[in-house]
Amino acid sequence: AQSVTQPDIHITVSEGASLELRCNYSYGATPYLFWYVQSPGQGLQLLLKYFSGDTLVQGIKGFEAEFKRSQSSFNLRKPSVHWSDAAEYFCAVFAGNEKLTFGTGTRLTIIP
Amino acid sequence: NAGVMQNPRHLVRRRGQEARLRCSPMKGHSHVYWYRQLPEEGLKFMVYLQKENIIDESGMPKERFSAEFPKEGPSILRIQQVVRGDSAAYFCASSPGVAGGTSYEQYFGPGTRLTVT
Repeated sequence: AQSVTQPDIHITVSEGASLELRCNYSYGATPYLFWYVQSPGQGLQLLLKYFSGDTLVQGIKGFEAEFKRSQSSFNLRKPSVHWSDAAEYFCAVFAGNEKLTFGTGTRLTIIP
Repeated sequence: NAGVMQNPRHLVRRRGQEARLRCSPMKGHSHVYWYRQLPEEGLKFMVYLQKENIIDESGMPKERFSAEFPKEGPSILRIQQVVRGDSAAYFCASSPGVAGGTSYEQYFGPGTRLTVT
């Protein structure tokens, strides 16, 4: 069965600094990978997705992620964070069984 | 094009009562998924439905929980005889499906936050 690990429960970053959120997955074949963001009390918004092709994918709000098959990783990055990026970030894998499997999330705090 | 709609946004029930959560998928979407998010946890799949059919309910608790997606109207997640452990955020997602029956992108609603007192 597929699984997703987000090793960082909570990350604090200064506004304007760069950001990398880690995501590792477990799946036998090439998965479809997603990053979602959840603001407090809100639903999930899709940031970006990887299906195939170029392993560096661009998303909304200036985010990007890189798929690395050799490391089973799909880390999310942003060169310069804004205070409005404070939220919970979820990595998810779709492994062809019609459901998404989510990681436990990384809470991002931005300090001025 | 309106997004996925869920109501109510907040629901308070006493132990033993029934909770009914509604989800209207995006226009043109025929696939509906329900997920549960317990406090401080990620989302866990519960059930996947298409119109009038339950496709996969492997994540549903065996008792007290049921789901439907009728030909007309919203999808309903029903929890009978609620207990405190049912307190969670319940999210609905929808997708259009693609040729071959595989859905990739799921669009999420704002969730229903159920509190059992």
